[in-house]
Amino acid sequence: AQKITQTQPGMFVQEKEAVTLDCTYDTSDPSYGLFWYKQPSSGEMIFLIYQGSYDQQNATEGRYSLNFQKARKSANLVISASQLGDSAMYFCAMREGVGGSYIPTFGRGTSLIVHP
Amino acid sequence: GAVVSQHPSRVICKSGTSVKIECRSLDFQATTMFWYRQFPKKSLMLMATSNEGSKATYEQGVEKDKFLINHASLTLSTLTVTSAHPEDSSFYICSAREASTGNEQFFGPGTRLTVL
Repeated sequence: AQKITQTQPGMFVQEKEAVTLDCTYDTSDPSYGLFWYKQPSSGEMIFLIYQGSYDQQNATEGRYSLNFQKARKSANLVISASQLGDSAMYFCAMREGVGGSYIPTFGRGTSLIVHP
Repeated sequence: GAVVSQHPSRVICKSGTSVKIECRSLDFQATTMFWYRQFPKKSLMLMATSNEGSKATYEQGVEKDKFLINHASLTLSTLTVTSAHPEDSSFYICSAREASTGNEQFFGPGTRLTVL
């Protein structure tokens, strides 16, 4: 079974609108971390936001927020006020365990296109 | 689903030796493969983009003579760390872009390199 599932291969949004990118995860480990990365066409992976499994509040970083629903095992990324520069691939990832490998498991990605 | 493997998963070597890491797409053809270096906790640094049959494109600051990348076939890319030093110790992750879809990427499980 996939540990990270991103069900939206592609998303379109109008500039200045908000968009939600879905991510569900599967783990039996009580301690884990969830990441979102942005990958523009250049290929670099840009870290956006992190949510720990024990964090009480949803993570926010500027226009990015993570809608963390632990019981549903979902960690959706919300981008508010979309900008043309937000067009990119977005990857959800999970790292399990405390003190373990820092290599996260990645989802397949969602391609976001922002229209003017 | 599509699978990317990396071999070895862990390697320990002496300073001054060379280490080869393989990245294979097991059930699809990957025209493009990316090599990343994982830094603690969060960030992935893109090292190079590898296109089948052509020379890899290295990111600024990445020594191409030290990190040799070969993408000889649509299913195999190799990263060779030459004359490894302790500061090269890290996690190295590859990802493969499937030729038919163009956007979806599949990440390998990573290779942990420790240079003594």
